Amino acid sequence: DVKVTQSSRYLVKRTGEKVFLECVQDMDHENMFWYRQDPGLGLRLIYFSYDVKMKEKGDIPEGYSVSREKKERFSLILESASTNQTSMYLCASSPSSGVKETQYFGPGTRLLVL
Amino acid sequence: GQNIDQPTEMTATEGAIVQINCTYQTSGFNGLFWYQQHAGEAPTFLSYNVLDGLEEKGRFSSFLSRSKGYSYLLLKELQMKDSASYLCAVETGNNRKLIWGLGTSLAVNP
Repeated sequence: DVKVTQSSRYLVKRTGEKVFLECVQDMDHENMFWYRQDPGLGLRLIYFSYDVKMKEKGDIPEGYSVSREKKERFSLILESASTNQTSMYLCASSPSSGVKETQYFGPGTRLLVL
Repeated sequence: GQNIDQPTEMTATEGAIVQINCTYQTSGFNGLFWYQQHAGEAPTFLSYNVLDGLEEKGRFSSFLSRSKGYSYLLLKELQMKDSASYLCAVETGNNRKLIWGLGTSLAVNP
Protein backbone atom coordinates (compact mmCIF):
# COMPACT_ATOMS: atom_id res chain seq x y z
CA ASP A 1 0.00 0.00 0.00
CA VAL A 2 1.11 3.51 -0.76
CA LYS A 3 1.83 5.49 2.33
CA VAL A 4 2.02 9.26 2.57
CA THR A 5 2.77 10.62 6.01
CA GLN A 6 2.72 14.15 7.34
CA SER A 7 4.72 15.30 10.32
CA SER A 8 1.82 16.56 12.43
CA ARG A 9 -1.95 16.09 12.52
CA TYR A 10 -2.53 19.29 14.49
CA LEU A 11 -0.33 22.34 14.88
CA VAL A 12 -0.78 25.65 16.68
CA LYS A 13 1.57 28.53 15.83
CA ARG A 14 1.82 32.25 16.52
CA THR A 15 1.64 34.98 13.89
CA GLY A 16 5.08 35.65 12.46
CA GLU A 17 6.52 32.23 13.26
CA LYS A 18 8.27 30.18 10.60
CA VAL A 19 6.41 26.92 10.12
CA PHE A 20 7.63 23.70 8.53
CA LEU A 21 5.24 21.03 7.32
CA GLU A 22 6.87 17.78 6.28
CA CYS A 23 5.55 15.13 3.93
CA VAL A 24 7.12 11.75 3.20
CA GLN A 25 6.00 9.10 0.71
CA ASP A 26 7.32 5.57 0.45
CA MET A 27 6.38 4.61 -3.12
CA ASP A 28 9.16 6.28 -5.07
CA HIS A 29 6.70 8.69 -6.70
CA GLU A 30 8.11 11.47 -8.85
CA ASN A 31 5.30 13.97 -8.28
CA MET A 32 4.40 15.55 -4.98
CA PHE A 33 1.82 18.22 -4.18
CA TRP A 34 0.85 20.57 -1.38
CA TYR A 35 -2.77 21.71 -1.07
CA ARG A 36 -4.77 23.66 1.40
CA GLN A 37 -8.44 22.99 1.93
CA ASP A 38 -10.88 25.53 3.31
CA PRO A 39 -14.69 25.36 3.65
CA GLY A 40 -16.38 26.63 0.50
CA LEU A 41 -13.09 26.94 -1.39
CA GLY A 42 -12.22 23.30 -1.91
CA LEU A 43 -8.73 21.99 -2.56
CA ARG A 44 -6.31 24.64 -3.78
CA LEU A 45 -2.86 23.79 -5.05
CA ILE A 46 -0.03 25.69 -3.37
CA TYR A 47 3.06 24.11 -4.96
CA PHE A 48 4.00 20.93 -6.69
CA SER A 49 7.20 19.14 -7.58
CA TYR A 50 7.79 16.65 -10.37
CA ASP A 51 11.38 15.79 -9.47
CA VAL A 52 14.03 16.33 -6.83
CA LYS A 53 14.96 19.99 -6.52
CA MET A 54 12.23 20.91 -9.00
CA LYS A 55 9.21 22.95 -7.97
CA GLU A 56 6.38 24.80 -9.64
CA LYS A 57 3.91 27.29 -8.29
CA GLY A 58 0.33 26.24 -7.99
CA ASP A 59 -2.67 28.52 -7.76
CA ILE A 60 -1.92 30.17 -4.39
CA PRO A 61 1.86 30.17 -3.73
CA GLU A 62 2.02 33.56 -1.98
CA GLY A 63 3.35 33.30 1.56
CA TYR A 64 4.68 29.79 1.03
CA SER A 65 7.84 28.12 -0.18
CA VAL A 66 8.80 24.48 -0.65
CA SER A 67 11.83 22.26 -0.57
CA ARG A 68 12.46 18.91 -2.20
CA GLU A 69 15.99 17.74 -1.47
CA LYS A 70 15.12 14.04 -1.59
CA LYS A 71 12.63 12.21 -3.75
CA GLU A 72 10.56 10.93 -0.85
CA ARG A 73 10.29 14.20 1.07
CA PHE A 74 8.47 17.43 0.19
CA SER A 75 8.41 20.24 2.72
CA LEU A 76 6.09 23.22 2.86
CA ILE A 77 7.39 26.34 4.59
CA LEU A 78 5.38 29.26 5.86
CA GLU A 79 8.03 31.96 6.10
CA SER A 80 6.02 34.16 8.47
CA ALA A 81 2.73 32.60 9.49
CA SER A 82 -0.39 34.72 9.33
CA THR A 83 -3.91 34.08 10.62
CA ASN A 84 -5.23 33.69 7.07
CA GLN A 85 -3.01 30.63 6.71
CA THR A 86 -5.09 28.77 9.28
CA SER A 87 -6.26 25.80 7.25
CA MET A 88 -6.08 22.08 6.59
CA TYR A 89 -2.90 21.26 4.64
CA LEU A 90 -2.83 18.13 2.53
CA CYS A 91 0.16 16.54 0.86
CA ALA A 92 -0.22 14.13 -2.06
CA SER A 93 2.03 12.11 -4.33
CA SER A 94 1.65 10.33 -7.64
CA PRO A 95 3.87 8.54 -10.15
CA SER A 96 4.71 10.21 -13.45
CA SER A 97 4.05 7.31 -15.73
CA GLY A 98 1.23 4.85 -16.07
CA VAL A 99 -2.42 5.16 -16.81
CA LYS A 100 -5.04 5.60 -14.14
CA GLU A 101 -2.54 6.64 -11.51
CA THR A 102 -4.23 8.71 -8.91
CA GLN A 103 -2.88 11.10 -6.33
CA TYR A 104 -2.43 9.54 -2.90
CA PHE A 105 -3.02 11.81 0.05
CA GLY A 106 -1.50 12.05 3.49
CA PRO A 107 -3.76 12.40 6.55
CA GLY A 108 -3.50 16.19 6.59
CA THR A 109 -2.21 18.77 9.04
CA ARG A 110 -4.73 21.09 10.64
CA LEU A 111 -2.84 24.33 11.28
CA LEU A 112 -4.12 27.07 13.55
CA VAL A 113 -2.28 30.40 13.49
CA LEU A 114 -3.06 32.65 16.45
CA GLY B 1 -10.75 29.52 -17.74
CA GLN B 2 -10.93 26.09 -16.17
CA ASN B 3 -14.02 25.18 -14.24
CA ILE B 4 -15.57 22.16 -12.59
CA ASP B 5 -19.14 22.29 -11.29
CA GLN B 6 -20.90 19.91 -8.97
CA PRO B 7 -23.86 20.35 -6.60
CA THR B 8 -22.96 21.57 -3.14
CA GLU B 9 -25.18 19.25 -1.13
CA MET B 10 -27.37 16.21 -1.61
CA THR B 11 -29.39 14.01 0.70
CA ALA B 12 -30.55 10.45 0.19
CA THR B 13 -32.02 7.55 2.13
CA GLU B 14 -30.22 4.43 3.26
CA GLY B 15 -30.62 1.66 0.68
CA ALA B 16 -31.45 4.06 -2.15
CA ILE B 17 -29.46 5.10 -5.25
CA VAL B 18 -27.97 8.56 -5.72
CA GLN B 19 -26.31 10.20 -8.72
CA ILE B 20 -23.80 13.00 -8.25
CA ASN B 21 -23.16 15.05 -11.37
CA CYS B 22 -20.03 16.87 -12.45
CA THR B 23 -19.59 19.15 -15.46
CA TYR B 24 -16.24 20.51 -16.55
CA GLN B 25 -14.68 23.02 -18.94
CA THR B 26 -10.92 22.58 -19.10
CA SER B 27 -8.18 23.40 -21.61
CA GLY B 28 -7.08 19.77 -21.80
CA PHE B 29 -8.34 16.40 -20.69
CA ASN B 30 -6.34 13.34 -19.66
CA GLY B 31 -8.91 11.76 -17.39
CA LEU B 32 -11.49 12.36 -14.68
CA PHE B 33 -11.25 11.19 -11.07
CA TRP B 34 -13.76 10.82 -8.27
CA TYR B 35 -12.61 10.93 -4.68
CA GLN B 36 -14.42 10.39 -1.40
CA GLN B 37 -13.60 12.50 1.64
CA HIS B 38 -15.02 11.89 5.10
CA ALA B 39 -15.12 14.83 7.47
CA GLY B 40 -11.68 15.61 8.90
CA GLU B 41 -9.95 13.04 6.73
CA ALA B 42 -7.96 13.05 3.49
CA PRO B 43 -9.54 12.33 0.10
CA THR B 44 -9.38 8.73 -1.08
CA PHE B 45 -9.58 7.53 -4.67
CA LEU B 46 -12.86 6.06 -5.90
CA SER B 47 -12.79 5.90 -9.68
CA TYR B 48 -11.16 7.02 -12.89
CA ASN B 49 -12.61 7.57 -16.39
CA VAL B 50 -10.68 8.40 -19.52
CA LEU B 51 -12.96 6.92 -22.20
CA ASP B 52 -16.67 7.56 -22.66
CA GLY B 53 -18.93 5.15 -20.88
CA LEU B 54 -19.60 3.56 -17.55
CA GLU B 55 -17.00 2.12 -15.17
CA GLU B 56 -18.47 -0.13 -12.50
CA LYS B 57 -16.80 -0.96 -9.22
CA GLY B 58 -19.02 -2.69 -6.72
CA ARG B 59 -21.67 -0.32 -5.38
CA PHE B 60 -20.03 2.65 -7.11
CA SER B 61 -20.08 3.42 -10.84
CA SER B 62 -18.80 6.41 -12.75
CA PHE B 63 -19.84 7.64 -16.17
CA LEU B 64 -18.07 9.97 -18.59
CA SER B 65 -19.12 11.84 -21.73
CA ARG B 66 -16.14 13.79 -23.05
CA SER B 67 -18.12 15.50 -25.80
CA LYS B 68 -20.52 16.91 -23.20
CA GLY B 69 -17.90 17.62 -20.53
CA TYR B 70 -19.99 15.59 -18.12
CA SER B 71 -19.54 12.86 -15.58
CA TYR B 72 -21.58 11.33 -12.82
CA LEU B 73 -20.90 9.10 -9.84
CA LEU B 74 -23.62 6.58 -9.06
CA LEU B 75 -23.85 5.12 -5.59
CA LYS B 76 -26.16 2.13 -5.09
CA GLU B 77 -27.50 0.49 -1.94
CA LEU B 78 -26.53 3.51 0.08
CA GLN B 79 -25.13 2.96 3.55
CA MET B 80 -24.75 5.43 6.40
CA LYS B 81 -20.96 5.29 5.98
CA ASP B 82 -21.38 6.76 2.48
CA SER B 83 -22.12 10.12 4.11
CA ALA B 84 -19.11 12.12 2.91
CA SER B 85 -17.99 14.73 0.43
CA TYR B 86 -17.45 13.54 -3.16
CA LEU B 87 -14.87 15.39 -5.20
CA CYS B 88 -14.65 15.46 -8.98
CA ALA B 89 -11.21 16.24 -10.46
CA VAL B 90 -9.86 16.50 -14.02
CA GLU B 91 -6.28 15.83 -15.04
CA THR B 92 -5.30 18.21 -17.80
CA GLY B 93 -1.54 18.03 -18.26
CA ASN B 94 1.42 15.70 -18.20
CA ASN B 95 2.48 16.19 -14.60
CA ARG B 96 -0.58 14.70 -12.85
CA LYS B 97 -1.83 18.13 -11.80
CA LEU B 98 -5.57 18.02 -11.10
CA ILE B 99 -8.27 20.65 -11.38
CA TRP B 100 -10.70 20.10 -8.50
CA GLY B 101 -14.39 20.70 -8.04
CA LEU B 102 -15.57 22.04 -4.68
CA GLY B 103 -17.14 18.73 -3.75
CA THR B 104 -20.66 17.48 -3.11
CA SER B 105 -21.57 16.83 0.51
CA LEU B 106 -23.82 13.76 0.64
CA ALA B 107 -25.92 13.02 3.72
CA VAL B 108 -27.40 9.54 3.96
CA ASN B 109 -30.38 9.38 6.30
CA PRO B 110 -31.84 6.26 7.91
